[in-house]
Amino acid sequence: DTGVSQDPRHKITKRGQNVTFRCDPISEHNRLYWYRQTLGQGPEFLTYFQNEAQLEKSRLLSDRFSAERPKGSFSTLEIQRTEQGDSAMYLCASSFSGTSGRNEQYFGPGTRLTVT
Amino acid sequence: QKEVEQDPGPLSVPEGAIVSLNCTYSNSAFQYFMWYRQYSRKGPELLMYTYSSGNKEDGRFTAQVDKSSKYISLFIRDSQPSDSATYLCAMRTDSWGKLQFGAGTQVVVTP
Repeated sequence: DTGVSQDPRHKITKRGQNVTFRCDPISEHNRLYWYRQTLGQGPEFLTYFQNEAQLEKSRLLSDRFSAERPKGSFSTLEIQRTEQGDSAMYLCASSFSGTSGRNEQYFGPGTRLTVT
Repeated sequence: QKEVEQDPGPLSVPEGAIVSLNCTYSNSAFQYFMWYRQYSRKGPELLMYTYSSGNKEDGRFTAQVDKSSKYISLFIRDSQPSDSATYLCAMRTDSWGKLQFGAGTQVVVTP
């Protein structure tokens, strides 16, 4: 069990460019979540998947943001036409929805995005 | 007003002291309560998971939930400098959905 991994760990981009982040969940975890965290704040929910189905999206997820989980394993989060306000830590979490009902979410190390 | 309120600190304590952290919330539908620890520029790490009201103990950590007061607490006994981090409370209404986080409390344990 290698934990949740995210790539890249850091990304610096110029305003207006597109960026894509990848998340690899813990193997056998069927739920995958994306959060965004700005300095001094707790993570804010963006979207989540059960297997390949995207089940919920936050109103924070504008039409410039898109997330996919094509085969129910890894997920990508793309931001088009980046803005300075997109600068944040993007966190991925995964969980397993078993019969215990606990469904703890385990987080990856995050991708820190800086938009200049 | 935010759904989950948490004092940002910083909270400074001497090594060996008890650290007391808390969160209040407004949504009475929250049933699942968690505490995460986050070191600088790292992802949150799950510390404690509690369902509904009551106490839970795990080593030096004790989590308490009082749903009638909409108040949760985390206590860290025999604090160590390695406990210096930001502690985030989180909660959700159902067993599978999104987490609602507090802003986090920065804790500094001084040797």
